[in-house]
Amino acid sequence: DADVTQTPRNRITKTGKRIMLECSQTKGHDRMYWYRQDPGLGLRLIYYSFDVKDINKGEISDGYSVSRQAQAKFSLSLESAIPNQTALYFCATSDSQRHHHGYTFGSGTRLTVV
Amino acid sequence: SQQGEEDPQALSIQEGENATMNCSYKTSINNLQWYRQNSGRGLVHLILIRSNEREKHSGRLRVTLDTSKKSSSLLITASRAADTASYFCATDDGGSQGNLIFGKGTKLSVKP
Repeated sequence: DADVTQTPRNRITKTGKRIMLECSQTKGHDRMYWYRQDPGLGLRLIYYSFDVKDINKGEISDGYSVSRQAQAKFSLSLESAIPNQTALYFCATSDSQRHHHGYTFGSGTRLTVV
Repeated sequence: SQQGEEDPQALSIQEGENATMNCSYKTSINNLQWYRQNSGRGLVHLILIRSNEREKHSGRLRVTLDTSKKSSSLLITASRAADTASYFCATDDGGSQGNLIFGKGTKLSVKP
């Protein structure tokens, strides 16, 4: 099983719908992140969490919300999806005590909003 | 806002050649990391270099860091077709939280 699992892998949804992307990890890492990747723009940070119930906004949090109810799970919600939220979404984790190990990424969720 | 900026945006070489990718950044950092991404997949951590280090090696990878020029380079020696991927540099935001900020990446194509 993957260390960081994202579901679903692919999703097509309609404008205005609420959608949730799930992320779970078996690394035991305390920190979790959500990024989106757009062609030519690299990865941009949406939200991050350093512990259960800890939530922090990233660079592009508008239109998104997150929940960290357990250390292993970090979910991202789009309250009312719009077409410019079409992107590849990545969840990542890290260990605050082992910065040199870097981030561990999931395989991504490809979201299309039509 | 972007912190790291990779150069070139795309690089095409023959198998066996060396590949060099560069990264420039804007503000002070604690460390700089390089990641690899195969098409449409998650990023994989390759190597981290701290701000007080100048060079680091890992297998066929060599990373240099010049904090006075705010730049880093990633050298892949004796490249293989399997090295074809996008490579990203990431810097921490320099603050106490240490969140990573990623560049836009260099797309490397290694032709057999």
